[in-house]
Amino acid sequence: QVQLQQSGPRLVKPSQTLSLTCAISGDSVSSNSAAWHWIRQSPSRGLEWLGKTYYRSKWYNDYAVSVKSRITINPDTSENQFSLQLNSVTPEDTAVYYCARETYFDTSGYDYFDYWGQGTLVTVSS
Amino acid sequence: DVVMTQSPLSLPVTLGQPASISCRSSQSLVYSDGNTYLNWFQQRPGQSPRRLIYKVSNRDSGVPDRFSGSGSGTDFTLKISRVEAEDVGVYYCMQHTHWPTTFGQGTKVEIK
Repeated sequence: QVQLQQSGPRLVKPSQTLSLTCAISGDSVSSNSAAWHWIRQSPSRGLEWLGKTYYRSKWYNDYAVSVKSRITINPDTSENQFSLQLNSVTPEDTAVYYCARETYFDTSGYDYFDYWGQGTLVTVSS
Repeated sequence: DVVMTQSPLSLPVTLGQPASISCRSSQSLVYSDGNTYLNWFQQRPGQSPRRLIYKVSNRDSGVPDRFSGSGSGTDFTLKISRVEAEDVGVYYCMQHTHWPTTFGQGTKVEIK
C-alpha cells in the first residue's frame, strides 16, 4: 500500500519561499515507472496541477507555465521523498497543496493520481 | 489548455435515487496510444481527492459498484446508481491526455 505523507510550514510571508515535502512509503521516488506530482487547490483556481519529477535513467522535471519561473521540485533519494519549493509567494499562492503519484506501464499506459497526500493548507500572509 | 466543463455544478439528490454528472472536454481525450485518459475523483469534506474511475470506465479498488463511468471523445458521465449518505461531496473529472493535466470545476452532491 502506497502512502504519501506531507510536511512543511503552514504559514509563509509574502515574497518568501514556500517549501513542502512528500515522504513516500510503499514505492520509490526513483522508480522508472512512476512520477511524483504537486497539485494545489484554492477557491479561486480550483484544482491546479503544478509540476512533477520523475526518473527515467536520469531525472526530469515538468512544470506548469503559470509557476514555471518560481517552482522547483526535487527528489531526495536518501529519504525516499520529494519536495516543492515555490519562490516569491503572494497571497494568491494561498491554497491546499497536495502531492500525488503517477505510474506508467507499457501494457496499460499512464495512470494518474491513484494516491494522494493528506494535503497541507499553506497561507501566505504577513 | 484543455477546458473541462462539468454540469451541473450542484446536484441535490434523494437517498436511494440515481445521480448523473456530465463532463465535457474542449478537445478529444483519445491519446495516441489508444487510451482515453479521463478520471473521476470524489472529495469528501476535509479530505484529499480520492480516485473513483480511471480511463473513463475502470473502477478503482474498493470503489462501490454503484459508481460507473462512461463516455468517449469529448463527452463523459459519472453515474451513481443509488445515492448513499457517504456519497456527499464534490466530484471532479480530470484529463491527462493533453499537457497540462486539467480538472473540471467540480460538482457538489448533497442530500435533499
